[in-house]
Amino acid sequence: IAGITQAPTSQILAAGRRMTLRCTQDMRHNAMYWYRQDLGLGLRLIHYSNTAGTTGKGEVPDGYSVSRANTDDFPLTLASAVPSQTSVYFCASRVSSGSYNEQFFGPGTRLTVL
Amino acid sequence: DQQVKQNSPSLSVQEGRISILNCDYTNSMFDYFLWYKKYPAEGPTFLISISSIKDKNEDGRFTVFLNKSAKHLSLHIVPSQPGDSAVYFCAAAGISGTYKYIFGTGTRLKVLA
Repeated sequence: IAGITQAPTSQILAAGRRMTLRCTQDMRHNAMYWYRQDLGLGLRLIHYSNTAGTTGKGEVPDGYSVSRANTDDFPLTLASAVPSQTSVYFCASRVSSGSYNEQFFGPGTRLTVL
Repeated sequence: DQQVKQNSPSLSVQEGRISILNCDYTNSMFDYFLWYKKYPAEGPTFLISISSIKDKNEDGRFTVFLNKSAKHLSLHIVPSQPGDSAVYFCAAAGISGTYKYIFGTGTRLKVLA
């Protein structure tokens, strides 16, 4: 099925635990993004990657890390989760890093940190 | 500091009438703007975009207007339909060629039948 998949769909996590949110796309898009959605704050960019092998910091990168070993996968890791990281996380991808065009979003991961 | 702002958290419109959603931005380096629609429990989906070299772009019932001097864009939906009820996000890109896409806080549109 073409598109972006995210896993898990939802997760409850104890504070202090490590967690990796998975994101995979099969559209061969160069650019990928991680956002968190919080009530009243909209979608905030955590990290992005313009192409495999490169990553960049977004608006709210603290407490999160990413890697881009290949074109298809862009995992987001919380090294030591805190309750303020409770949110809905969306992964997105875009066809080209050399021009502007629309992003395609995954269905999201709802994360609760207790 | 919010670089892209949507000052109206919600909007209610009668079916068949025009819906106008507004978005302001602070960074004059942005040169590409987009609107997304989001239904509950789904990811956002792309609606329409506009480059800074234009002041209007139209796609069916959806029209985006850009006023660069005012750092303001708006989305017009005509006529509004109940299926348009969703949260709408504006987004901006173009800061120093980083290809970061920065989103606003969203406006919840409710179209009343």
